[in-house]
Amino acid sequence: AQTVTQSQPEMSVQEAETVTLSCTYDTSESDYYLFWYKQPPSRQMILVIRQEAYKQQNATENRFSVNFQKAAKSFSLKISDSQLGDAAMYFCAYRSAGYGGSQGNLIFGKGTKLSVKP
Amino acid sequence: DAGITQSPRYKITETGRQVTLMCHQTWSHSYMFWYRQDLGHGLRLIYYSAAADITDKGEVPDGYVVSRSKTENFPLTLESATRSQTSVYFCASSEGGPGIEPQHFGDGTRLSIL
Repeated sequence: AQTVTQSQPEMSVQEAETVTLSCTYDTSESDYYLFWYKQPPSRQMILVIRQEAYKQQNATENRFSVNFQKAAKSFSLKISDSQLGDAAMYFCAYRSAGYGGSQGNLIFGKGTKLSVKP
Repeated sequence: DAGITQSPRYKITETGRQVTLMCHQTWSHSYMFWYRQDLGHGLRLIYYSAAADITDKGEVPDGYVVSRSKTENFPLTLESATRSQTSVYFCASSEGGPGIEPQHFGDGTRLSIL
């Protein structure tokens, strides 16, 4: 079974600085998808960024980018120019790429709570 | 508006009571999911559904019942609530299949069982 590990329960960053959140996963599959979700105090789950395992190029969405290391099974999230609104819980998630059954299910890490200091 | 809505947003009930959490999506997504979120555990899958009338257990299904008679609705029922089911519950939907289409989440229901 696949597992997702976020080893940093809490992180802190100064406003305008850069922070990297770690995520590792365990799988025997070769094709899959990886996601980062943000959960602010409002409790919403907001998709931040996604990555297809067969793509070597790291995904980027504005100030958010990932460092995807397939061989190392690592999927870290980098937030540049941190803003106060970035303060939230961040969850890393894995999904198999196959058809049907449980293939659509997300497997989540336990989350990293990010604080942004003004 | 298109989206996924959960109701109620907050619910307080007593042990032994039956309670149903509602989830409605307007995208006609094939897949729907129920998760619970507890401190220290992240989100854990309770049940999922690949289509109307097709449901299957996730990681933590005990004590829960689901149904999906219509594509857009996926209610979650606690038949006899227990204190250990106090949690925040999220419903999600996605197209599923082999694509990278992500899951879209509702705003969650905070359920307290006294």
